[in-house]
Amino acid sequence: EVQLVESGGGLVKPGGSLRLSCAASGFTFSSYSMNWVRQAPGKGLEWVSSISSSSSYIYYADSVKGRFTISRDNAKNSLYLQMNSLRAEDTAVYYCARANGDYDAFDIWGQGTMVTVSS
Amino acid sequence: EIVLTQSPGTLSLSPGERATLSCRASQSVSSSYLAWYQQKPGQAPRLLIYGASSRATGIPDRFSGSGSGTDFTLTISRLEPEDFAVYYCQQYGSSPPKTFGQGTKVEIK
Repeated sequence: EVQLVESGGGLVKPGGSLRLSCAASGFTFSSYSMNWVRQAPGKGLEWVSSISSSSSYIYYADSVKGRFTISRDNAKNSLYLQMNSLRAEDTAVYYCARANGDYDAFDIWGQGTMVTVSS
Repeated sequence: EIVLTQSPGTLSLSPGERATLSCRASQSVSSSYLAWYQQKPGQAPRLLIYGASSRATGIPDRFSGSGSGTDFTLTISRLEPEDFAVYYCQQYGSSPPKTFGQGTKVEIK
């Protein structure tokens, strides 16, 4: 079964750090670009970051640039999001999502992990 | 940055009725890299349509997408009870950011 499972969310104080992980299974992880998308409570979807299959191309939303770092380990079938200098407005459910190799839309999503930034 | 504006914000319809959702882009979306997603409460989004008009695997044919350039439409021909949800459009061209619209909620009238 094709699956993405996020972990690492939790409660963190403003200015703190957190590292999210996304474990992939059921497909050849190293062949796909991957993404992080977040959703603040009661709000819409916001694209956060993308990484190409070999990590050659990395992109960030302006709202997280300089604070978040996306990475991947193809040997471990895992995607990561290192989040530093966290702010209250980073509070959200964070989803990892696969970009389909043929048409690039996000065809597989994890169940999400909640990040709460609060003192 | 391409901004996507969805309308209406909320659509109140009855099962069996036709739903028409709009997504307008602030500039042309290249190669029709426009997708539609469905999200139900407490669930992750699900891909419905990619390339503006192609249905994703397993999506019923009552869902259809159309449009090009800056104007796109998602149509649900006859609403089933499980179709009441929030729908998002997204442009996912090669140049980031891969922006989403703000969503349209389809609710039971």
